[in-house]
Amino acid sequence: DQQVKQNSPSLSVQEGRISILNCDYTNSMFDYFLWYKKYPAEGPTFLISISSIKDKNEDGRFTVFLNKSAKHLSLHIVPSQPGDSAVYFCAASEETSGSRLTFGEGTQLTVNP
Amino acid sequence: DTGVSQDPRHKITKRGQNVTFRCDPISEHNRLYWYRQTLGQGPEFLTYFQNEAQLEKSRLLSDRFSAERPKGSFSTLEIQRTEQGDSAMYLCASSQPQREYTGELFFGEGSRLTVL
Repeated sequence: DQQVKQNSPSLSVQEGRISILNCDYTNSMFDYFLWYKKYPAEGPTFLISISSIKDKNEDGRFTVFLNKSAKHLSLHIVPSQPGDSAVYFCAASEETSGSRLTFGEGTQLTVNP
Repeated sequence: DTGVSQDPRHKITKRGQNVTFRCDPISEHNRLYWYRQTLGQGPEFLTYFQNEAQLEKSRLLSDRFSAERPKGSFSTLEIQRTEQGDSAMYLCASSQPQREYTGELFFGEGSRLTVL
């Protein structure tokens, strides 16, 4: 079963506008949520995370929002830049699982100049 | 370069052959993970080690898959009697337990397996 799901395979936005990437999960035992970015021919790189005790975490242009009741999280990128074009993976973990991450399918973000 | 290193980057083999991938984690990291990623999917957890102890291997895809980390440093992932369905990117990651848990893993660039 797909415990972490990203329903949008792709997203295209204009440079300078906001990018919103969405993620849903089903396992209520998840207590940490992360976003990774992946460029072609590279491994995923960590972007930002949020604990289940929070509803928002911000790091520069990147903000992650968590809605536990809806089992939904989103990543906002403002303003979007062409260098942000990559595949974005949502991931979740249980602290007691030893950082074993469960990933979504990924969303290809394209930021057009 | 002090990141996670994987070798080889690309392996092409014939069905039925055995293949082995190596991963060198970040030196101070005591946890090491193997993931598999197929086209259009996110990485899928396979197994992980804390130092030399393999703490979970139930997600290894079949008994043809095995992993070792004999001295708690580098790790190897072996696939015996490869099948075409084994074609994928095999990713290694490492982490260090932190005072404040973040779940963050550091990934290598991956080893791409193509089984003909």
